[in-house]
Order: sequence, then structure tokens, then C-alpha cells
Amino acid sequence: DSGVTQTPKHLITATGQRVTLRCSPRSGDLSVYWYQQSLDQGLQFLIQYYNGEERAKGNILERFSAQQFPDLHSELNLSSLELGDSALYFCASSGRTDEITDTQYFGPGTRLTVL
Amino acid sequence: DQQVKQNSPSLSVQEGRISILNCDYTNSMFDYFLWYKKYPAEGPTFLISISSIKDKNEDGRFTVFLNKSAKHLSLHIVPSQPGDSAVYFCAAKESGYGQNFVFGPGTRLSVLP
Repeated sequence: DSGVTQTPKHLITATGQRVTLRCSPRSGDLSVYWYQQSLDQGLQFLIQYYNGEERAKGNILERFSAQQFPDLHSELNLSSLELGDSALYFCASSGRTDEITDTQYFGPGTRLTVL
Repeated sequence: DQQVKQNSPSLSVQEGRISILNCDYTNSMFDYFLWYKKYPAEGPTFLISISSIKDKNEDGRFTVFLNKSAKHLSLHIVPSQPGDSAVYFCAAKESGYGQNFVFGPGTRLSVLP
């Protein structure tokens, strides 16, 4: 158990809909990262928050947005969903400090299926 | 264009033998590298790391080798055990504000009893 929790575990929805994925980082971790893993592909970095502020952005679509709240949990909002958005979405947390060597601890993921 | 490549999608090894997983990268600015292991229905878990100032890092049965001139790293598992069967991801990062890890597509290792 990494200490990172993600809800829900599974999500099935229809095209055009909007969903919110939730992540609670390990106790004390300040950074939260979101990744997307599509079928047979590696992890694609979406976005990072550090202590409530956006720190880095990767290949995140404009239809997607995220935020980190004062209690450090984070939400990833996916809107106008398309079939191609079906994937595993992982949250990771790191860092009592913001250093390159911070290990990221991953949650179990949310499997999103768009029908 | 993939900056981190793992050209073998899968690898099968006999229990007790050595497993060698390879990773190549194109960005010469990468200076920190990690390997993650992922079991089905779980998130990736950190395995071992290496910074660019070293060419080898060892942790128990796991050793990572870095060849900066070839932009290549490898993970050696000796001896391999059935519990090592998982997908292994290589990840790389360059230092600096706002930089993040770039992951390879993964290699599925099967250790046969």
C-alpha cells in the first residue's frame, strides 16, 4: 500500500459527459501528479501540483483540468469525454521537499471507460 | 517522438537466471533515471534509481547500469524469481524547475518456474 488513494476505482460513462477523479496523497506529501495510461502505452504525464499551485504541465488536453485543494487532495476533471479518453488514470505523490530525487508513490488508479 | 524507449515489449526468463531489461533515451539533458514495477490492478511502485553522476547502482537483487555516452540504461535482476513477473517501466527526468518524469512504454517480464 503506497498510501495514495484514488476514487473511484472504476468509472463508466458516455461520450460528451464530464467526470471528476479524486486523489489523496500520502500524509505530508506536497506534490501531486496525474498520469494517463492508455492501452499498451506508457504513462503519459498530465500535470503536477505542488502545495496548491500548478508546477508543471505535460500533455494535458484543454478539456481536462485539475486542482489541488488546501488539504492537499487533488481532483482531475475530464469534460466533453471522447472514446479515446478511456484509460487508466494514475495519481502519484511525492516530496516533503521539491527535489529531483523525490520518489513518486502511485495510487492504484482509476479505470475510465467511455462508451 | 518517444524520448524514452523500451524496445522489448516482453521478456521471458527462467527462474534463477538473470533478467536484463533495457531502456534507451534521446534527451541528453536527462540526469536522473528510475525503474518502476507494476503488477496488474496496482499502481507502479518504485524499484531503483540512478543519477547521471554514477554508472551503477545496486540494491539487493536489482542493479541498474547507466551508459551516458550511449544514452542507455539497463536493469539486471539476479536471480529472477516468479514474483518478479510484472511490467517494468523506465523513467527519466532532467533537473530544473517544472521538469517531470518521462516514462517508457514498459516491458512485461515473465519469470517461469
